[in-house]
Amino acid sequence: DIQMTQSPSSLSASVGDRVTITCRASQSISSYLNWYQQRPGKAPNLLIYAASSLQSGVPSRFSGSGSGTDFTLTITSLQPEDFATYYCQQVYSTPITFGQGTRLEIK
Amino acid sequence: EVQLLESGGGLVQPGGSLRLSCAASGFTFSSYAMSWVRQAPGKGLEWVSTFSGGGGRTYYADSVKGRFTISRDNSKNTLYLQMNSLRAEDTATYYCTKDHGQPEAFDIWGQGTLVTVSS
Repeated sequence: DIQMTQSPSSLSASVGDRVTITCRASQSISSYLNWYQQRPGKAPNLLIYAASSLQSGVPSRFSGSGSGTDFTLTITSLQPEDFATYYCQQVYSTPITFGQGTRLEIK
Repeated sequence: EVQLLESGGGLVQPGGSLRLSCAASGFTFSSYAMSWVRQAPGKGLEWVSTFSGGGGRTYYADSVKGRFTISRDNSKNTLYLQMNSLRAEDTATYYCTKDHGQPEAFDIWGQGTLVTVSS
């Protein structure tokens, strides 16, 4: 199975900050990497697919990059609604696996 | 509007069975792969199973293989998850998801249904 490791596990930031979350795969997954946001008590929401493609309706302050084993999710100019938990997901092979999540909190 | 609505969750004893349903609307259901993802209380996301859109292939996480069965009825736009031999560690909110297509991603999620396995 491909293991996905996110860092950091939690992060404190302020409104207006720029933050970066990283995700590392245990083997190369090309660009088969997606990012999701989950607000408390809600279902996850797709932000980025194929490592760097912005899902329709997602604000442009979200961006993704990387390929192979190392990936990043960047949020520029944090907004109050961005404080949530973020997950990466590999769809290169089954079993599909998620990172453990990164909780983004207000400083 | 594209929508997924799960039902069928509840409290069940260890060793028991439960069938989850996911009613889809707003898209051509038969054309897309559909999946179940679960989340134990306070924990992260875990992929459970996928049913492909066209070929009828199914895939399972090792943790549920042989106990859970995914199926779909394209005439009813409904996805199912039959869960047998339930264990305490199956306690979770179960989400139904729609596949984005190519490249694969879960672009639509239901609101989730809670399954609690406890005596």
